[in-house]
Amino acid sequence: SAVISQKPSRDICQRGTSLTIQCQVDSQVTMMFWYRQQPGQSLTLIATANQGSEATYESGFVIDKFPISRPNLTFSTLTVSNMSPEDSSIYLCSAGRGGMNTEAFFGQGTRLTVV
Amino acid sequence: QQQVKQSPQSLIVQKGGISIINCAYENTAFDYFPWYQQFPGKGPALLIAIRPDVSEKKEGRFTISFNKSAKQFSLHIMDSQPGDSATYFCAASLRGGGYQKVTFGTGTKLQVIP
Repeated sequence: SAVISQKPSRDICQRGTSLTIQCQVDSQVTMMFWYRQQPGQSLTLIATANQGSEATYESGFVIDKFPISRPNLTFSTLTVSNMSPEDSSIYLCSAGRGGMNTEAFFGQGTRLTVV
Repeated sequence: QQQVKQSPQSLIVQKGGISIINCAYENTAFDYFPWYQQFPGKGPALLIAIRPDVSEKKEGRFTISFNKSAKQFSLHIMDSQPGDSATYFCAASLRGGGYQKVTFGTGTKLQVIP
């Protein structure tokens, strides 16, 4: 298994500002992902964080709004830029070992409120 | 486009009863179907999973039934307990995208009452 820690666990931010969320995995993983979970809703994949290269974004998500870094095999950041109240959500980091490994591990999430 | 549909949205079951959650998928390329359990304030955690070459998988009180021709699968929780109260997500992934890249269903909030 893998233990994933996210920081911060929650934050309240002013509209127009940016927040960077950190994701730390306790062991090297091949795959890292960022999801968004709006209140009472399902999880939607934002992007795949690629080590050493640009992230791969899903339809509806763009790099200017959600820049992602992944400098090594255990760490990634997601920035929510120029926030609006519509960005209020839980943001979750996920990781997996790739290949034939099937399980995805999730962090506890970062609860973001934009006022 | 929601590729994995889930029902019901919420479910209330008496302690000791059977909880049943149903899912349907569209993409026939999916070849791995996990179920995740999420408690408030926590991230989802893998509960049980199945591959499409198997029609049923049981782990303790949890059973997945899979119907490949109908593109449907379901989770049965036998002898439901108050500690099972959580939100359950069916999901799907495919080897080509990496099994850990998960498409989630819409979620079912389960409440087990004593």
